[in-house]
Amino acid sequence: EAGVAQSPRYKIIEKRQSVAFWCNPISGHATLYWYQQILGQGPKLLIQFQNNGVVDDSQLPKDRFSAERLKGVDSTLKIQPAKLEDSAVYLCASSSRGDSSYGYTFGSGTRLTVV
Amino acid sequence: RKEVEQDPGPFNVPEGATVAFNCTYSNSASQSFFWYRQDCRKEPKLLMSVYSSGNEDGRFTAQLNRASQYISLLIRDSKLSDSATYLCVAFLASGGSYIPTFGRGTSLIVHP
Repeated sequence: EAGVAQSPRYKIIEKRQSVAFWCNPISGHATLYWYQQILGQGPKLLIQFQNNGVVDDSQLPKDRFSAERLKGVDSTLKIQPAKLEDSAVYLCASSSRGDSSYGYTFGSGTRLTVV
Repeated sequence: RKEVEQDPGPFNVPEGATVAFNCTYSNSASQSFFWYRQDCRKEPKLLMSVYSSGNEDGRFTAQLNRASQYISLLIRDSKLSDSATYLCVAFLASGGSYIPTFGRGTSLIVHP
């Protein structure tokens, strides 16, 4: 079974620039999550999709972050404009169930550095 | 108070030792608990689910204590390869849904 695919692996941008990350979940997985992991901390949920609908985005900084999953398969996360504190690893995860009773699988992440 | 709390450690133990981590969660209505393992500069990987009845997988045992609102992970006969950060996850009840919330992780270092 192919895993969760994310790209790019690394991105360096200057503050106030824009950046987008892409995620392709495991085939058939209806639930998709975007997490932000700052060095030394646990992953923080940014947004959860169930198919192409948003289940929770309460921790997404909506003034600069946006995410979409238009066809209920792959997803993009965008930051516009980026700030220094956005430097983190952005992890995408997917699961077959909304409550993830069987846990979920992470992609390798995109490491963002904002300078 | 943080919603999911873990002692960041590091726990520094010799090979063969038994080590235990706890993780407390704030919301008694939470469901679905897991332990994940994260190696340096890698993504978290599912280690095991956690049930009230306990869950054992080889040298690893996970337990949920709903009354005291904590989950635990016990590692017996530690190996060098067990060195990693161990993250607990609780699905916290929030506005009719359950939000997967991670602790900050506990660092384990197993030395020869």
